[in-house]
Amino acid sequence: DIQMTQSPSSLSASVGDRVTITCRASQNINNFLNWYQQKPGKAPKLLISAASSLQSGVPSRFSGGGSGTDFTLTISGLQPEDFATYSCQQSSSPPITFGPGTKVDIK
Amino acid sequence: EVQLVESGGGVVRPGGSLRLSCAASGFTFDDYAMSWVRQAPGKGLEWVSSINWNSYTTTYADSVKGRFTISRDNARNSLYLQMNSLRVDDTAFYLCARELPNWSFDTWGQGNLVTVSA
Repeated sequence: DIQMTQSPSSLSASVGDRVTITCRASQNINNFLNWYQQKPGKAPKLLISAASSLQSGVPSRFSGGGSGTDFTLTISGLQPEDFATYSCQQSSSPPITFGPGTKVDIK
Repeated sequence: EVQLVESGGGVVRPGGSLRLSCAASGFTFDDYAMSWVRQAPGKGLEWVSSINWNSYTTTYADSVKGRFTISRDNARNSLYLQMNSLRVDDTAFYLCARELPNWSFDTWGQGNLVTVSA
């Protein structure tokens, strides 16, 4: 199985900050990498697919990059509604696996 | 509005069984593969099982293989998860999700809590 790791596991940031979260796959997954946002008690929301393709309706301050084994999710200008947990997911080969999540909270 | 609503969770003893349902609305259900994903309280997401549009192909995580069975009824726009031989470590919120061709999940239910406890 492909193992997904994320760093950091949590971070504190202020409104307006630029935040970058890293996701690493245990083997090459090309660009088969998706990012989700999840708020407490809510269902996950798909933000980015194929490493960098923004889903419809997702603000342009979110961006994704990377390929192979190393990927990033960047939030440029953190907004109050962005405080949440972000998880990556590989869709390269079964079984589908998720990263453990990165919690972004208010400094 | 595209919507998924789960039902059927609850408390069950180890070794017991439970059946989860997921009612879909707002989209053509049999156009999509569907999946179950679970999340233990305070933990990350774990894919459990997927089924293709016509039920021809089903896949399972090793952790549930042989104990869980995924199924769907396209006439009823419904997805199911039959869970047998439940273990304490199956305790989690179970979410149904609509699966895109690239194996991402673009629509999720709110989740249903399954608690396995003696």
